[in-house]
Amino acid sequence: AQSVTQPDIHITVSEGASLELRCNYSYGATPYLFWYVQSPGQGLQLLLKYFSGDTLVQGIKGFEAEFKRSQSSFNLRKPSVHWSDAAEYFCAVGRDSGGGADGLTFGKGTHLIIQP
Amino acid sequence: ETGVTQSPTHLIKTRGQQVTLRCSSQSGHNTVSWYQQALGQGPQFIFQYYREEENGRGNFPPRFSGLQFPNYSSELNVNALELDDSALYLCATKGWEYAEAFFGQGTRLTVV
Repeated sequence: AQSVTQPDIHITVSEGASLELRCNYSYGATPYLFWYVQSPGQGLQLLLKYFSGDTLVQGIKGFEAEFKRSQSSFNLRKPSVHWSDAAEYFCAVGRDSGGGADGLTFGKGTHLIIQP
Repeated sequence: ETGVTQSPTHLIKTRGQQVTLRCSSQSGHNTVSWYQQALGQGPQFIFQYYREEENGRGNFPPRFSGLQFPNYSSELNVNALELDDSALYLCATKGWEYAEAFFGQGTRLTVV
């Protein structure tokens, strides 16, 4: 069965500092990997996704993620965070761009706090 | 703005009651998925509908059921509500099999 682990429940970063959010996955086939962001009381917004090709993926809002097959990881990074990046971040895995008939499997999320 | 609209935004129900949540999608989005997001957790897949037929289901009991209409809008019905059904319910729609799914803002259900 597929699973996603986000080991950090909370992360606090100073504004302007770099950010890395960790994600490890388990999936039986070649997965689609996703990072979503959720602001309080809001739905999910896709930051980026990966299926094949270049293992460094660029997304919106200055985010990027690197796929490492050997480590089953798909970590999200941003070189310089802004106060508006404070939100909940979810890593997810699925069998196609929209999740397929099995849907997307999400991690439990990482809550990002930005210090002034 | 994703073009996916969910209603209502919030509602409160009593244990044992039934509830219907609604989702309308962008034009041409023929696939809809529903997710349950409990407080402090990631979303969990409930089921997916494609052209009015359920074609995938997560680990949820039969009292969670759905409908998709010819205009591709959708309903999630939950019978015999339990306290643990309190959650944010999200729908996601897409236009073709391998397309990106777009999420609505969700319906916050509280069961008391």
